[in-house]
Amino acid sequence: NAGVMQNPRHLVRRRGQEARLRCSPMKGHSHVYWYRQLPEEGLKFMVYLQKENIIDESGMPKERFSAEFPKEGPSILRIQQVVRGDSAAYFCASSPTQGTDTQYFGPGTRLTVL
Amino acid sequence: DAKTTQPPSMDCAEGRAANLPCNHSTISGNEYVYWYRQIHSQGPQYIIHGLKNNETNEMASLIITEDRKSSTLILPHATLRDTAVYYCIVRPRGPSGSARQLTFGSGTQLTVLP
Repeated sequence: NAGVMQNPRHLVRRRGQEARLRCSPMKGHSHVYWYRQLPEEGLKFMVYLQKENIIDESGMPKERFSAEFPKEGPSILRIQQVVRGDSAAYFCASSPTQGTDTQYFGPGTRLTVL
Repeated sequence: DAKTTQPPSMDCAEGRAANLPCNHSTISGNEYVYWYRQIHSQGPQYIIHGLKNNETNEMASLIITEDRKSSTLILPHATLRDTAVYYCIVRPRGPSGSARQLTFGSGTQLTVLP
């Protein structure tokens, strides 16, 4: 059973460009979570999604950030008009549809904004 | 969610048991204790979780005190590859659809020495 997959692993963007980060949950998982880890800081929750629904976006910045988890395909974290302060590691986690809600993390996408 | 307190750093000799403490004095009855670790800048790795009984899996053992106000993660035979930041997280087991994010603190930097 493949783990949580994220791509790209590294992403470089110039200020003002858009960044799209993708997350494919583990097989049998329909819950997806996004976390951000700024340099030298801890992981912070951003958003929790189920298929086609945003359940909790209390950790998302109010502007420029959006997330989706369509019926088909990976979850997408989208950052519009990136700024240098968006440079961070973005981790996705997934948990099973039923049973334990333990979250399993992907390897992360490291975003660098020039 | 209840807050947790962990020592910022610990050392352990290779081959010896590593005992990582965590205080969670305000834990409530429906909250689980989860342990994750993050090796260098990789994605967090789930280790183990428990409610009130001691738990053991192939990675570690979790000892929870009877009053549930503290716990200890035990790595029975630490190796150099166990060097990581270890996070103790208290998290409610909510009904399906409720917010279930993980709140990461600063964790304990465990260094396994040769």
